[in-house]
Amino acid sequence: EIVLTQSPGTLSLSPGERATLSCRASQSVSSSYLAWYQQKPGQAPRLLIYGASSRATGIPDRFSGSGSGTDFTLTISRLEPEDFAVYYCQQYGKGYTFGQGTKLEIK
Amino acid sequence: QVQLQESGPGLVKPSQTLSLTCTVSGGSISSGSYYWSWIRQPAGKGLEWIGRIYTSGSTNYNPSLKSRVTISVDTSKNQFSLKLSSVTAADTAVYYCARDRIDYGEPFDPWGQGTLVTVSS
Repeated sequence: EIVLTQSPGTLSLSPGERATLSCRASQSVSSSYLAWYQQKPGQAPRLLIYGASSRATGIPDRFSGSGSGTDFTLTISRLEPEDFAVYYCQQYGKGYTFGQGTKLEIK
Repeated sequence: QVQLQESGPGLVKPSQTLSLTCTVSGGSISSGSYYWSWIRQPAGKGLEWIGRIYTSGSTNYNPSLKSRVTISVDTSKNQFSLKLSSVTAADTAVYYCARDRIDYGEPFDPWGQGTLVTVSS
């Protein structure tokens, strides 16, 4: 099983700042089948990024994904108030596994 | 636009079988090369994939749950279902259904809104 480790566990930033979230895999993720989801309290996760760097339909361009192999990054260029949430990475190249999440909170 | 909706009992007794249904609207469950999955999330914790069914009816399960899980599909009702046997308090979670097309590099999207299942006597 591919284990995904996200860091940091919690990230405290202010609106307008840049957020950088990390996801590290225990082995290489095939075909860059790495996705990022946003989850707000009481809601289902929402797909943001797939294929490591492709934005899902309707996702603002302030969200971007990068990386390959075992190291992946989600960047939010300028935080909006609605961006404060929990973010999960997921690999779907060999089964399905999720990271433990990064909570992005308002500083 | 495809939408998914989970339904089923919100309370299940220990040792019994949890049964949930996901109803697909806005499209046929049989069309396209889609997989239909169940995912769960204990309160305050992360996401765990439970298993999936393909449009052909073939299934794959999380090895950690495989001995207790059955996923089936009813194409006439545009639904797929989850059965989890011998439940304990550790199975208390929000259960989501979701669609993916992994063979085309497309992960879970959309998701249902989720349904809370509590295991308690």
